[in-house]
Amino acid sequence: QVVLTQSSSASASLGASVKLTCTLTSGHSTYSIAWYQQQPEKGPRYLMNINNDGSHSKGDGIPDRFSGSRSGAERYLTISSLQSEDEADYYCQTWGTGIQVFGGGTKLTVL
Amino acid sequence: EVQLLESGGGLVQPGGSLRLSCAASGFTFSSYAMSWVRQAPGKGLEWVSIVSGSGSNTYYADSVKGRFTISRDSSKNMLSLQMDSLRAEDAAVYYCAKAGCITNCYFDSWGQGTLVTVSS
Repeated sequence: QVVLTQSSSASASLGASVKLTCTLTSGHSTYSIAWYQQQPEKGPRYLMNINNDGSHSKGDGIPDRFSGSRSGAERYLTISSLQSEDEADYYCQTWGTGIQVFGGGTKLTVL
Repeated sequence: EVQLLESGGGLVQPGGSLRLSCAASGFTFSSYAMSWVRQAPGKGLEWVSIVSGSGSNTYYADSVKGRFTISRDSSKNMLSLQMDSLRAEDAAVYYCAKAGCITNCYFDSWGQGTLVTVSS
């Protein structure tokens, strides 16, 4: 069974960049994943999906400051020029036949 | 613009039933899979169930299998979740989500959620 592992928290300064990591379990390194942002007291918002070949497609209206990449079993979400509204929980997700899996989420604090 | 509006949440006793609905608009409803995802207070996202665009394929998380039933009505652009034998651990905000494909993949649109409380 595929499992997604995320660090529970991360922090970075206003205007800086941060790279969040989502790790797929061994044997599932070719899976595509998606990233979501959840601001306080709001529903999740789709950011992008990252395919095994590294290509990714963003959701409507997602700024260029948000980008995705991959290396082996790791999938990354990089946010540049951090703004206060980027302070949120970030979740990764993957899927297979008849199953959906979410990572535990990373709480991003903008200092 | 895609819009997903959940309703039907509320307070229910353990062992009781509740039916959630999600009114969808702004896209061709039958062309996309639809799903329910929940979030217990202070916790992360947990996938609950998904139904394919045609409605012929349904899947459930092990935690709700045999107790919850997902369905869709393309004539009304409506997604539903019938929840029976509710337990305290089912208490959560339930989100309706639209998949980016007809079968199973990422969720590119989400509703604002409806709160389900299970308590005596």
